[in-house]
Amino acid sequence: QVHLQESGPGLVEPSQTLSLTCTVSGGSISSGGYYWNWVRQRPGKGLEWIGYIFETGSTYYNPSLKSRIIMSLDTSKNQFFLRLSSVSAADTAIYFCARDREDTAYNHWGQGTLVTVSS
Amino acid sequence: SYELTQPPSVSVSPGQTARITCSGNTLPKQYANWYQQKPDQAPLLVIYKDTERPSGIPERFSGSSSGTTATLTISGVQAEDESDYYCQSSDSTDTFRVFGGGTKLTVL
Repeated sequence: QVHLQESGPGLVEPSQTLSLTCTVSGGSISSGGYYWNWVRQRPGKGLEWIGYIFETGSTYYNPSLKSRIIMSLDTSKNQFFLRLSSVSAADTAIYFCARDREDTAYNHWGQGTLVTVSS
Repeated sequence: SYELTQPPSVSVSPGQTARITCSGNTLPKQYANWYQQKPDQAPLLVIYKDTERPSGIPERFSGSSSGTTATLTISGVQAEDESDYYCQSSDSTDTFRVFGGGTKLTVL
């Protein structure tokens, strides 16, 4: 069974860069044709797609966040990463990593990690 | 930007049928997926590819899609079904992912 686990600082100062890691177990991130996503949920709000990285390393980002996002992956560690720069209080949210593919949708999610942007 | 529209809230009594709609211009061409989210939990996939139910999801959950509207139906609603529900799909080029705004299902 595939398991995803987010990790990273729970507190980031304004204007700094938020960096998160998603560690995948029970399956390889470099096979199967899966997209490895980041999704966030601001307090009391709905789900917001941030972007994904495909197993080949190609990426696609939410246009509203595109200028501040970099996603990458490390196949040797079976991990993928999110970097969100120039953060503000509006980036305070629970950040989820999740796996999807057209025929499976988002059938595997991490538990989520709360990131607070504050000085 | 592409959007999916859901009603903010739906209320039903136990045993009744709940229907939650999701409207979007590309739904005639793209699948709709549905997620249940309870407080402090990650979303759980309950319907994918418009009508498919993952293993372990009760049969009372079903999905349909017609034109620009997809519908999640919960038959014989139980108290445990009280949750937020989100639809999700892709844009016409199948590159963007998008979530609906979410619907809070209240079981009276």
